Amino acid sequence: SQTIHQWPATLVQPVGSPLSLECTVEGTSNPNLYWYRQAAGRGLQLLFYSVGIGQISSEVPQNLSASRPQDRQFILSSKKLLLSDSGFYLCAWEGLAGLGQYFGPGTRLLVL
Amino acid sequence: EDQVTQSPEALRLQEGESSSLNCSYTVSGLRGLFWYRQDPGKGPEFLFTLYSAGEEKEKERLKATLTKKESFLHITAPKPEDSATYLCAVQGFSGGYNKLIFGAGTRLAVHP
Repeated sequence: SQTIHQWPATLVQPVGSPLSLECTVEGTSNPNLYWYRQAAGRGLQLLFYSVGIGQISSEVPQNLSASRPQDRQFILSSKKLLLSDSGFYLCAWEGLAGLGQYFGPGTRLLVL
Repeated sequence: EDQVTQSPEALRLQEGESSSLNCSYTVSGLRGLFWYRQDPGKGPEFLFTLYSAGEEKEKERLKATLTKKESFLHITAPKPEDSATYLCAVQGFSGGYNKLIFGAGTRLAVHP
């Protein structure tokens, strides 16, 4: 069966510091991978998606970037965090189109 | 523009009191409509996928239905463990990839 991992689970970072969040998927090959951010009381906002190694598309311009160095690894990064980057970050994988996206446990990021 | 609206924002039920959650959507060609359950501090858990008007899916006390403009999540005789936020999302054929558009969710609280 497929599993998806995210780490760290919680992160507190000062403004201006760098960020690296990691997501890995097991039990599937060549998945579509997604990064979402969820603000309190709001819906999920798609940040980045990837259909393959090295292929990244951005949904909205922002202070973040993403990379996919391996088939089942997806990384979310920032060179300098802003207060507005605080939120709950979720990684998701998808196999065949239309069969749904499956989410990881999430990373709670607090920028102070 | 693809859009999803969920109502009510919050719902409080007594244990055993059945009710329905609504998800209204507009999308350019529906590939699928998805229901998720999200517990506090956790990633969304996949519940159902619906593909065409008239389709129904059931899982324990939950039943999801779909029309051309909306979906309902019916909860029959709920228990306190059904308390969670329920998210609805649609996936259309536009955009060249499998983007999910999420609603803001319905927070359900079931009291003994």
